[in-house]
Amino acid sequence: GAGVSQSPSNKVTEKGKDVELRCDPISGHTALYWYRQRLGQGLEFLIYFQGNSAPDKSGLPSDRFSAERTGESVSTLTIQRTQQEDSAVYLCASSLAVGFHEQYFGPGTRLTVT
Amino acid sequence: AQTVTQSQPEMSVQEAETVTLSCTYDTSENNYYLFWYKQPPSRQMILVIRQEAYKQQNATENRFSVNFQKAAKSFSLKISDSQLGDTAMYFCAFMNPSIYNQGGKLIFGQGTELSVKP
Repeated sequence: GAGVSQSPSNKVTEKGKDVELRCDPISGHTALYWYRQRLGQGLEFLIYFQGNSAPDKSGLPSDRFSAERTGESVSTLTIQRTQQEDSAVYLCASSLAVGFHEQYFGPGTRLTVT
Repeated sequence: AQTVTQSQPEMSVQEAETVTLSCTYDTSENNYYLFWYKQPPSRQMILVIRQEAYKQQNATENRFSVNFQKAAKSFSLKISDSQLGDTAMYFCAFMNPSIYNQGGKLIFGQGTELSVKP
């Protein structure tokens, strides 16, 4: 079956512009996670969804970052007034449910802020 | 807070040889899970192997095995009979599976870049 998909694959934007990153999880997966990977670094947790509820937003770096999810389907991560330090790969993962279930990752969106 | 440390930024191994990647972690939890993920240049994160902390037996998956030392908080990955396709970044990760505590988010180490040489 289809895996996790993310769009766009690459995004170049000017400093100060807003961007939206999209994640389509595996059908039937109720849990969805967003991570950020800066160049040469490990992944850092941003936010997770159980259904369309986001119980833990503690990883969002600033109030410029927000995310939403429609039902148990697509999620969007929005970054407002982008800064150069936002340049990174943004990875999305989904799993059957929150807790111990394997997380399946998408290919990521590489964001470059110029 | 939990932390994961990978002290080897880069490693190399000859094809068909064995290599061990190190990982240590810090937690006060007793029930947790540990993972090794592989990230090739395509950026696709692939689960290699996982270990439940309550299991004493080390996990194995074909050529991949772990040495889990709970008291020492150590979780190393051994790759036997290394293949060129094993060339990738390897990440160690920790999870507290409680839905009441962080919801199963993964905490990653900084990664070890492994090169398998022909």
